[in-house]
Amino acid sequence: GDSVTQMEGPVTLSEEAFLTINCTYTATGYPSLFWYVQYPGEGLQLLLKATKADDKGSNKGFEATYRKETTSFHLEKGSVQVSDSAVYFCALSAAGGTSYGKLTFGQGTILTVHP
Amino acid sequence: GAGVSQSPSNKVTEKGKDVELRCDPISGHTALYWYRQRLGQGLEFLIYFQGNSAPDKSGLPSDRFSAERTGESVSTLTIQRTQQEDSAVYLCASSFTSGGKNIQYFGAGTRLSVL
Repeated sequence: GDSVTQMEGPVTLSEEAFLTINCTYTATGYPSLFWYVQYPGEGLQLLLKATKADDKGSNKGFEATYRKETTSFHLEKGSVQVSDSAVYFCALSAAGGTSYGKLTFGQGTILTVHP
Repeated sequence: GAGVSQSPSNKVTEKGKDVELRCDPISGHTALYWYRQRLGQGLEFLIYFQGNSAPDKSGLPSDRFSAERTGESVSTLTIQRTQQEDSAVYLCASSFTSGGKNIQYFGAGTRLSVL
């Protein structure tokens, strides 16, 4: 079945450091890929998405590129802020079949940014 | 309302009791999803409703779990004879239609604690 694997956490960085959170997936066909963020005490929010190979999703300084050849969707940000401290989830939505529309999530990566 | 609303936000119950969790989706959203988030883990898909079609129940972990939705309105997730392993945050999401290209909007969740 479909699966998503995120890099082990937690990740602790200083403000203005470069961030990479790795995400790889296993799926048939061409799934859509997402990064969701969960700030402390809040629900999940969509951060960015990409629906086909080589698409780059971007939002709030975060970027991720859909790499079909490496089945990856790594999240990057050039300069993190304290306000980016949250849990980040990589997810995919299957391209079709009975799993159509359902999200499969990675285990989440806790990011803590210190001033 | 403006977003997906879930109630209660917190529920503490005794082992063996039944609980009902409620989700009010965004008005006009035809698809509704329930997920479970256990401590330190990613989200697990539970059940999916799309309009008046038969729900996809493939993620329900046991026959103690059931969910209903009337048309495109409120959904109720029921857990009968709760067990300690049912302790988790239960998240509801809705989207305009099914499919990976449609964004799922999440509620803040119901935190269930089974003593």
